[in-house]
Amino acid sequence: NAGVTQTPKFQVLKTGQSMTLQCAQDMNHEYMSWYRQDPGMGLRLIHYSVGAGITDQGEVPNGYNVSRSTTEDFPLRLLSAAPSQTSVYFCASKRQGGEKLFFGSGTQLSVL
Amino acid sequence: GNSVTQMEGPVTLSEEAFLTINCTYTATGYPSLFWYVQYPGEGLQLLLKATKADDKGSNKGFEATYRKETTSFHLEKGSVQVSDSAVYFCALSANFGNEKLTFGTGTRLTIIP
Repeated sequence: NAGVTQTPKFQVLKTGQSMTLQCAQDMNHEYMSWYRQDPGMGLRLIHYSVGAGITDQGEVPNGYNVSRSTTEDFPLRLLSAAPSQTSVYFCASKRQGGEKLFFGSGTQLSVL
Repeated sequence: GNSVTQMEGPVTLSEEAFLTINCTYTATGYPSLFWYVQYPGEGLQLLLKATKADDKGSNKGFEATYRKETTSFHLEKGSVQVSDSAVYFCALSANFGNEKLTFGTGTRLTIIP
């Protein structure tokens, strides 16, 4: 079982560049989400989706866009990267109403 | 709003020592409580959970009891091993369907042989 797959694992961007962090899951989970992990701040929710075509904002959505065209995929887009977006990003999924979140292995992003 | 406060780290213990990592929470209603663990280079994994007051979650020798009167969910293990070295996150979910988790800041645990 692949579970939750994130790509790339590492990325360096210049300020103002755009990129998409990919997330895919093969467990047919309805719920998918993106978190960022920063030192001393734990994990903070960026965006989440409860099914294809449905997305909503989390705690820190500014500067990020998401879409959910299929059950399997939930990409996170940075339209104009800023140094404040330097972080480790985790994608997570679970079945609707379930309690256990399944996490990907993360993307370490540096914005110079 | 909801919040989780965790014991400041890092924590360093010798193998076979007793472990406690403190966690307290603020939430409306009756949240579900979780401990997640992050091993080096990996994503988070659910370690244990409790969904109502006085429930005890347990897994891999770790335990935590949901204490509503003290709004706490402290993680304990009687005898730690080197393989327990990781970052531990306390978290809560206070909404129906558990769509959103609120995490604590994490506690890094290092076990020395």
